[in-house]
Amino acid sequence: GIQVEQSPPDLILQEGANSTLRCNFSDSVNNLQWFHQNPWGQLINLFYIPSGTKQNGRLSATTVATERYSLLYISSSQTTDSGVYFCAVSKAAGNKLTFGGGTRVLVKP
Amino acid sequence: DTEVTQTPKHLVMGMTNKKSLKCEQHMGHRAMYWYKQKAKKPPELMFVYSYEKLSINESVPSRFSPECPNSSLLNLHLHALQPEDSALYLCASSQTILRGVTEAFFGQGTRLTVV
Repeated sequence: GIQVEQSPPDLILQEGANSTLRCNFSDSVNNLQWFHQNPWGQLINLFYIPSGTKQNGRLSATTVATERYSLLYISSSQTTDSGVYFCAVSKAAGNKLTFGGGTRVLVKP
Repeated sequence: DTEVTQTPKHLVMGMTNKKSLKCEQHMGHRAMYWYKQKAKKPPELMFVYSYEKLSINESVPSRFSPECPNSSLLNLHLHALQPEDSALYLCASSQTILRGVTEAFFGQGTRLTVV
């Protein structure tokens, strides 16, 4: 099956700092999503981004499908950005969404 | 509305009990999923339904029995579970899987404890 690797596994930030999270995948995909899992377990959709660049407020994401990676940028981080960020992908002929191992982010005030 | 609703939010059950988890969506999605998530791990796929038919069973033990009564509802019937089955159970839906998974939306999960 497709392999999804996220880095770094853990990230500690001071409030106001910027950061970049990376997702590498082992095969061509037609779906790539970034999620934020809050402390209560809910997976919140951040981006549906199989290719290209999108921005939503302080967050932006870029997927370079030909090179099999995606980046999630967090700017001016806030304590509410703390949690686990997951990248998940699906192949064009696949019918399952496979998750990376996640990046655990802690933003300190 | 991009809401997937799961009930109950929390469940404690004994190893001899029978219980069910429920999931509902009204987005007209035709693919629905059950995932299991252990602490500090990513979600792992259990089952996929496409057009109310079971499409994938990821070798899940038979003590977990999925059911898709209609295009809006997905159930997970639990029987004779073990303490190691304690986890967060997440339901998701997406429009289709006919050419790969389209954007998926997740419910808030059911936190299950088996005693």
